[in-house]
Amino acid sequence: DTGVSQDPRHKITKRGQNVTFRCDPISEHNRLYWYRQTLGQGPEFLTYFQNEAQLEKSRLLSDRFSAERPKGSFSTLEIQRTEQGDSAMYLCASSLVPDSSYEQYFGPGTRLTVT
Amino acid sequence: DAKTTQPPSMDCAEGRAANLPCNHSTISGNEYVYWYRQIHSQGPQYIIHGLKNNETNEMASLIITEDRKSSTLILPHATLRDTAVYYCIVHTSYGKLTFGQGTILTVHP
Repeated sequence: DTGVSQDPRHKITKRGQNVTFRCDPISEHNRLYWYRQTLGQGPEFLTYFQNEAQLEKSRLLSDRFSAERPKGSFSTLEIQRTEQGDSAMYLCASSLVPDSSYEQYFGPGTRLTVT
Repeated sequence: DAKTTQPPSMDCAEGRAANLPCNHSTISGNEYVYWYRQIHSQGPQYIIHGLKNNETNEMASLIITEDRKSSTLILPHATLRDTAVYYCIVHTSYGKLTFGQGTILTVHP
């Protein structure tokens, strides 16, 4: 257990529905990242926050995706009008910057299945 | 971030050292070499990182060549629980991580 929690762990939804995932980082960490991982591939970066500010978004993050970190603590990732191609593991990570290692601590992920 | 090249898979006998290579010939001066691993159905886990010098911690050792174009992660006494995908990432120490395909390490009895 890294101290990063994600909820839910699994989500099955029908195509066209909206889904929201939550990530609770390690409490003193100021950076929070979202990644997506499809079967057999390494994680791909989606977006990251420093405190409340969203500092970078990947081109993978289409306009159906939105992420927030309203108080600089937990974060939510919402996918609107889900498509089958959204089926993946969504991983959250947090880190403290500056820090000697800049290690990112990953949560267990939320596995999304779109039917 | 620089690209890395790793073998797709490797095997190791339990109790023996596992040596995982990584090529990063386009690494620039301010980029570190990081290693993460991902055990099945879990999030990635940080192992070790280094800039120029060799590094050792309780999990592994990292050997970086003098020209910094390649590195080797060493698990000194591999156990069955070390079976995982190992990712070598070249990174400037902040911002996003760029994962490649990694090396699937299988430790067998």
